[in-house]
Amino acid sequence: GESVGLHLPTLSVQEGDNSIINCAYSNSASDYFIWYKQESGKGPQFIIDIRSNMDKRQGQRVTVLLNKTVKHLSLQIAATQPGDSAVYFCAEIGTSGSARQLTFGSGTQLTVLP
Amino acid sequence: DTEVTQTPKHLVMGMTNKKSLKCEQHMGHRAMYWYKQKAKKPPELMFVYSYEKLSINESVPSRFSPECPNSSLLNLHLHALQPEDSALYLCASSQGPHWDGYTFGSGTRLTVV
Repeated sequence: GESVGLHLPTLSVQEGDNSIINCAYSNSASDYFIWYKQESGKGPQFIIDIRSNMDKRQGQRVTVLLNKTVKHLSLQIAATQPGDSAVYFCAEIGTSGSARQLTFGSGTQLTVLP
Repeated sequence: DTEVTQTPKHLVMGMTNKKSLKCEQHMGHRAMYWYKQKAKKPPELMFVYSYEKLSINESVPSRFSPECPNSSLLNLHLHALQPEDSALYLCASSQGPHWDGYTFGSGTRLTVV
């Protein structure tokens, strides 16, 4: 019914701890993956990406892991800060017809506790 | 300029009104997108424009009418909307239909009364 899916998965972490956000993607033909951060009232903001020929990529305080065998993506945030509180979406990109198409996965609400 | 600008930021409209959402980018991107996002849900693709031509329409009702007057502008014309159409409407752009770098605008928060 309509009530299903109204509640985002949530993750609460203490400030300074590490956060791990998980995502399952659906299309085995997707070859590019992005993590987005979305703060209230704003559009999705790019965090980090990874191509399907890699299994790990690191940025500043963030790491993305890709497991193509089980179609699983994770985002690790080191030393989580209050400014990291937001909804995080994974997204997969593959070719649909003649164009590339970005599809978002379900989001996770990250709350950083003081 | 590395932004996608959407106007207005907020819009309240009646079910008999006609209104338009506007999206603008000056990055030379040749693919532009409209997404709809309901509360606590991920954005869902509505339309894709590639080189000013509509290339993807994800079975969107005809009360939503997109328009791409030039390579920098994307409009979404709204007519006879329903309250369930209330959502955040996001515009995005990328260099082209085969490029993977997307830039999103901040969206227009639409409320249909």
